[in-house]
Amino acid sequence: DAKTTQPTSMDCAEGRAANLPCNHSTISGNEYVYWYRQIHSQGPQYIIHGLKNNETNEMASLIITEDRKSSTLILPHATLRDTAVYYCIVSSGNTGKLIFGQGTTLQVKP
Amino acid sequence: DTEVTQTPKHLVMGMTNKKSLKCEQHMGHRAMYWYKQKAKKPPELMFVYSYEKLSINESVPSRFSPECPNSSLLNLHLHALQPEDSALYLCASSRGEGVSYNEQFFGPGTRLTVL
Repeated sequence: DAKTTQPTSMDCAEGRAANLPCNHSTISGNEYVYWYRQIHSQGPQYIIHGLKNNETNEMASLIITEDRKSSTLILPHATLRDTAVYYCIVSSGNTGKLIFGQGTTLQVKP
Repeated sequence: DTEVTQTPKHLVMGMTNKKSLKCEQHMGHRAMYWYKQKAKKPPELMFVYSYEKLSINESVPSRFSPECPNSSLLNLHLHALQPEDSALYLCASSRGEGVSYNEQFFGPGTRLTVL
């Protein structure tokens, strides 16, 4: 599975959009991009995934570049409850094998 | 019911004890997972069960023994653990069909301390 690179930490003002980048330059054609988050002392929570098209759900939007070498998770109106570690994972999708990297710690500030 | 439940929440055991962690889901998911998470580190996959059969073992020491008695239940039997096995043990489940394998629902975890 392809490796991902994320910034270690980011801050965001409450009510503003949080844009979390992820580089996955070695992604292959059948690999999906998944995003999870882990709020302190809880289990990880699935957010969204995509293959090559942009995706949106009730939690977030996922923008994948045309060459698929990077992506951005967008939380449109961040709240204090969005403070968490956000993991970007690349996986071929049919084995259940998620390899978590170090993730980005997002701190949403009032 | 969209929950994965794990019991116990906390467990303290000695190195000679035998204990078990339990995980349950009632979402009709056919894939279940055990992860281990050390403090300030990301979760690490240990085992994957698919349709009640072990499909992935990430070279986990034999002192950890998984069991999947039915499609709703997953156990992790612990024996002769070491202090370095102290961690948060997370269970997850997913529909288990194609790309949905990786849309995993996680439980809150069992915090294990080995003395």
